[in-house]
Amino acid sequence: IQMTQTPSSLSASVGDSVAITCRASEGIGTYLAWYQQKPGKAPKLLIYNRSTLQSGVPSRFSGSGSGTDFTLTISRLQPEDSATYYCQVLNIYPPTFGQGTRLEIK
Amino acid sequence: EVQLVESGGGLVKRGGSLRLSCVASGFSFSTYNMAWVRQAPGKGLEWVSTIRGGSDHLYYGDSVRGRFTISRDNAKNSLFLQMDSLRAEDTAIYYCVREWWPEGLFDYWGQGNLVSVSS
Repeated sequence: IQMTQTPSSLSASVGDSVAITCRASEGIGTYLAWYQQKPGKAPKLLIYNRSTLQSGVPSRFSGSGSGTDFTLTISRLQPEDSATYYCQVLNIYPPTFGQGTRLEIK
Repeated sequence: EVQLVESGGGLVKRGGSLRLSCVASGFSFSTYNMAWVRQAPGKGLEWVSTIRGGSDHLYYGDSVRGRFTISRDNAKNSLFLQMDSLRAEDTAIYYCVREWWPEGLFDYWGQGNLVSVSS
């Protein structure tokens, strides 16, 4: 299964809301995760099973979608949200990642 | 607190071998699948391999199958990745990760260990 993220990069201001989309090459139900990676750091799990927030993740992050099309929405952007975000298919090997979306906070 | 600490990376010549290790703490190691995920310089994330808690099932990505071997020692809370026939394209940061359910869900990551393969 191939995972395609759009856009590859985006820029937004503090307080804005942004959406990152992820498309699977075939239906995956709700088996999708989102990770955040800051420069020089290991990735961090944000959301799994389409919309379940990992413990400690702010409620500004939300996930939606099913089948082949998914969205990560970040509301009320904060400076610390500047990072690269990856989607990933679950419940299958290989658990393929999307190519990443770099988010810059202006 | 869950901790995953990798070691064993470094510089190796093309065609050479290297063994990565990861020591886990803060959870019941034997009850979790464990995996390796890598990231080439400036690139995205690539799953490498997964081993089930009892070592009864092993899974590999196409790019490493036949060259890499994943293993674990539950008595020592340790995960390993034996990398043989290394290629330049294996150059990456290798992360030790805890795998939860559903399969492929990586909830805890180590700090990463750089492997550089010289051509």
